[in-house]
Amino acid sequence: AAGVIQSPRHLIKEKRETATLKCYPISRHDTVYWYQQGPGQDPQFLISFYEKMQSDKGSIPDRFSAQQFSDYHSELNMSSLELGDSALYFCASSRQVAGKETQYFGPGTRLLVL
Amino acid sequence: ELKVEQNPLFLSMQEGKNYTIYCNYSTTSDRLYWYRQDPGKSLESLFVLLSNGAVKQEGRLMASLDTKARLSTLHITAAVHDLSATYFCAVEEETSGSRLTFGEGTQLTVNP
Repeated sequence: AAGVIQSPRHLIKEKRETATLKCYPISRHDTVYWYQQGPGQDPQFLISFYEKMQSDKGSIPDRFSAQQFSDYHSELNMSSLELGDSALYFCASSRQVAGKETQYFGPGTRLLVL
Repeated sequence: ELKVEQNPLFLSMQEGKNYTIYCNYSTTSDRLYWYRQDPGKSLESLFVLLSNGAVKQEGRLMASLDTKARLSTLHITAAVHDLSATYFCAVEEETSGSRLTFGEGTQLTVNP
């Protein structure tokens, strides 16, 4: 079965530009999570969606927004990019079954802000 | 705020040796995950531990969970070079929509 798909895999942007990252969850998964992993750091939770509604919000800057669409894919929109936004952005998906869910991670999008 | 601490953060070991990585967390949780990450790669799910006393084994890796002590261990048996990677434990916050809080990671190097 296909895993979580993220696009693009690599992205280079200038400061103050905008970026959109896309995530396509595993088939029949209804929950999507976004994490940010800086160089040498552990992943930090940004935001999550369940059935197209925001379900939890972590340390996501106000410059970032996200949504989940009717086909369950999700997009993370990042504006006014800063050098410190350079990181690996992971999307994970899960299926809410009896409250027991494993989050499966996508390959990540590596964002470099110059 | 949930805190997750791993130790050691860096581990260099010889092939054939055994070692244990520890993961402590600060609040009640019944669900703990172990992930492996190779440099620049994604997070590969190794184990999901769902209840107190849970023990899971896959190849040379064995993970256990003690929810009363808020401690999980990842034991490596007879290490081989292919196990070199960074290992993260992650704890699910029950009250916060299932977000994962990760430990700092343990960078494991297995030397021939």
